[in-house]
Amino acid sequence: DTGVSQNPRHKITKRGQNVTFRCDPISEHNRLYWYRQTLGQGPEFLTYFQNEAQLEKSRLLSDRFSAERPKGSFSTLEIQRTEQGDSAMYLCASSLGSGTATNEKLFFGSGTQLSVL
Amino acid sequence: SQQGEEDPQALSIQEGENATMNCSYKTSINNLQWYRQNSGRGLVHLILIRSNEREKHSGRLRVTLDTSKKSSSLLITASRAADTASYFCATDAGWGGKLIFGQGTELSVKP
Repeated sequence: DTGVSQNPRHKITKRGQNVTFRCDPISEHNRLYWYRQTLGQGPEFLTYFQNEAQLEKSRLLSDRFSAERPKGSFSTLEIQRTEQGDSAMYLCASSLGSGTATNEKLFFGSGTQLSVL
Repeated sequence: SQQGEEDPQALSIQEGENATMNCSYKTSINNLQWYRQNSGRGLVHLILIRSNEREKHSGRLRVTLDTSKKSSSLLITASRAADTASYFCATDAGWGGKLIFGQGTELSVKP
């Protein structure tokens, strides 16, 4: 399967712990996005990479969240000192685009479901 | 924050009926896309309509776009039980292709 892969699929953690999620995009895709989705809501944009550069980060994202994409391949999203309000589905998506060109479509992974107890 | 508002929030129909979902957005766009999400899964792209297009078809899907009203509709004809899912509109308004999603419409198609 050459789609977007996310690991783990589920993560249960205690409040205050750190968690890290991984996303492997489609291999030729240079753009990578992280979204967060809570039950009954649409995906909410978190951050965006073009190759290894993080080009945008949502102002709603607290300093406890950090994302990396070393070498422009896979990406990790880390949440430090988790809070119950962080419980959500974290979705990764990738696409192929150049410069400021708009996207034709995003390819999504199945997500990581985080539960903070 | 969400760009789009979708209407209705939930829709229940019988197999064979048509389903219509509406989306409104706030700012100028480059294109508008519709995605489908089965429970607990990622989103799957359905169709894209550009800002200079008014209508587009793909199989049983028909999308319209009215940029003067900042609104779009998705019509699924001859619905099937397998169409049961949440449907989201997403707008590409800015630099770099970030998509902003609406709240979604939850469609239930009863056999």
